[in-house]
Amino acid sequence: DAKTTQPPSMDCAEGRAANLPCNHSTISGNEYVYWYRQIHSQGPQYIIHGLKNNETNEMASLIITEDRKSSTLILPHATLRDTAVYYCIVRVQLNAGNNRKLIWGLGTSLAVNP
Amino acid sequence: DAGVIQSPRHEVTEMGQEVTLRCKPISGHDYLFWYRQTMMRGLELLIYFNNNVPIDDSGMPEDRFSAKMPNASFSTLKIQPSEPRDSAVYFCASSWGGKSSDTQYFGPGTRLTVL
Repeated sequence: DAKTTQPPSMDCAEGRAANLPCNHSTISGNEYVYWYRQIHSQGPQYIIHGLKNNETNEMASLIITEDRKSSTLILPHATLRDTAVYYCIVRVQLNAGNNRKLIWGLGTSLAVNP
Repeated sequence: DAGVIQSPRHEVTEMGQEVTLRCKPISGHDYLFWYRQTMMRGLELLIYFNNNVPIDDSGMPEDRFSAKMPNASFSTLKIQPSEPRDSAVYFCASSWGGKSSDTQYFGPGTRLTVL
């Protein structure tokens, strides 16, 4: 079962910031939060990930609350090409070794409007 | 690098036929994942391999599904016999498990239709 909850859909005006929320209230201390997106008819694409600290890269920023129970993905200047389904995912540890897997939910369908 | 390569891109078959999906991961990656995506159930992890060894196959729906990874550059997902409810897009992904990051890179997917 998915360990995250996201709104099913959101809208954003082109050029504005898109803020996509995610709740992961049952996350454990060593579990990372990952964000991927899937543009129609393509495979999912990695965006960003984090554990405790806020993270930023060329695509987006990730803000994680201090209690780690929720996070927000920020696309600073959304474009029409950012229209996609955005997945907030928790990476869980399977055992004491190096084996982990991503637990996917249903994501948020973001529509960027002109 | 060409990225993750999957073949075929589209497959239409009749119920009861055997279907084989193929995947070539990114060179140097030591993890390979098979996913299935449908409108009703979203993206589901079927099985994944680490260094060619299956680690977690708890997502494989039933005995009709099997996956192999004979070497680091090739994997197959086989459905025998196929059923209409197997119709979905099947994605293969690979990653490098070093350090704390295991960003998965996805292939373009195989759209399977079972009539």
